[in-house]
Amino acid sequence: AQTVTQSQPEMSVQEAETVTLSCTYDTSESDYYLFWYKQPPSRQMILVIRQEAYKQQNATENRFSVNFQKAAKSFSLKISDSQLGDAAMYFCAYKEGTGANSKLTFGKGITLSVRP
Amino acid sequence: DAGVTQSPTHLIKTRGQHVTLRCSPISGHKSVSWYQQVLGQGPQFIFQYYEKEERGRGNFPDRFSARQFPNYSSELNVNALLLGDSALYLCASSLSGSAYEQYFGPGTRLTVT
Repeated sequence: AQTVTQSQPEMSVQEAETVTLSCTYDTSESDYYLFWYKQPPSRQMILVIRQEAYKQQNATENRFSVNFQKAAKSFSLKISDSQLGDAAMYFCAYKEGTGANSKLTFGKGITLSVRP
Repeated sequence: DAGVTQSPTHLIKTRGQHVTLRCSPISGHKSVSWYQQVLGQGPQFIFQYYEKEERGRGNFPDRFSARQFPNYSSELNVNALLLGDSALYLCASSLSGSAYEQYFGPGTRLTVT
């Protein structure tokens, strides 16, 4: 079974600084997707960024980028120029690429606080 | 376009009761998935339905059931509620049964007393 591990329960960053959130996963599959989701106190889960395992290039979305290390099964999220609105819980998630369903496996999450 | 909607927003039930949670997917989306998120944890997959057929089931007891209607909306039913069923229940919709792009609703907060 696939597992997703987020070992840091909390992190804090100064506004305008850069922070990196860590995630590791375990799978025997070669085709899969990895995601970072943001969940603010309003509860709505929002997709931040997606990485396809077959792509060697790391995904980027504006201030958000990932460091995808397939051999190490590591998938970290870097947030540049942190803003107060980035404060939220962040979840790393995994999905099989060839599976018949859309099941996401989530990590436990990390609470990010942004200091003004 | 409207996003994924869920009702009710909050719900308080007593142990042993039954509850029905509802989800309407984004227009054009044919798949609905349900997740349970216990406070301080990541969401756990409960069910997925696509074109009214069950596509996946997580490790939850038979007290949990779901269905999808012809208009692709979905209901999650939980019987014989336990205190441990208290959680945020999230619904996510996607275009197809195996799509990687999923959109989440705001969730229903269920409290069992």
